[in-house]
Amino acid sequence: GNSVTQMEGPVTLSEEAFLTINCTYTATGYPSLFWYVQYPGEGLQLLLKATKADDKGSNKGFEATYRKETTSFHLEKGSVQVSDSAVYFCALSQTGANNLFFGTGTRLTVIP
Amino acid sequence: GAVVSQHPSWVICKSGTSVKIECRSLDFQATTMFWYRQFPKQSLMLMATSNEGSKATYEQGVEKDKFLINHASLTLSTLTVTSAHPEDSSFYICSAGLTRTDTQYFGPGTRLTVL
Repeated sequence: GNSVTQMEGPVTLSEEAFLTINCTYTATGYPSLFWYVQYPGEGLQLLLKATKADDKGSNKGFEATYRKETTSFHLEKGSVQVSDSAVYFCALSQTGANNLFFGTGTRLTVIP
Repeated sequence: GAVVSQHPSWVICKSGTSVKIECRSLDFQATTMFWYRQFPKQSLMLMATSNEGSKATYEQGVEKDKFLINHASLTLSTLTVTSAHPEDSSFYICSAGLTRTDTQYFGPGTRLTVL
């Protein structure tokens, strides 16, 4: 079946620190992989995605590389800001399917 | 970007009553809307897919008679939790998309507490 496991939080970092949030997946075939972000009081927003092996998704300084050999899609950012404080969700979907399978979410708090 | 709203943002009700949650796409027409449920510290679980003008498709294990979904227009879908019980307490999130494989735009969620 399909499932996503992501690093449990909460994660607290100082401003300008390096961020890694681990995400691994189990899926049949070749899923698409996503990172969604939820800022306080708002809905989930697509942060980045990758649709095939070795693709790198990037947005707002965040990056994640689709690693089929390790079934991973870790989220990284070189220098976090206070405004990055949010809950981050890793997710996958099978090609052509509606379903998004989500991880449990990781809360990130960045302190000045 | 596309905005999806939910109303109410939180609701408390007595056991045995029914609760309706609205999901609206504010600046686009959504042919498909999705309803998710999230338990504390757990993943979002897809409950059902709602297509405008047709019956919703429920995921395995979701009681369609308990969670009534109506998608009456291209901008509004509603989820009614009928005869709610404490175990129905959860965070309900909707999302909307333009086509079957398009990006989903998420609402902020509704927290339901059943006493």
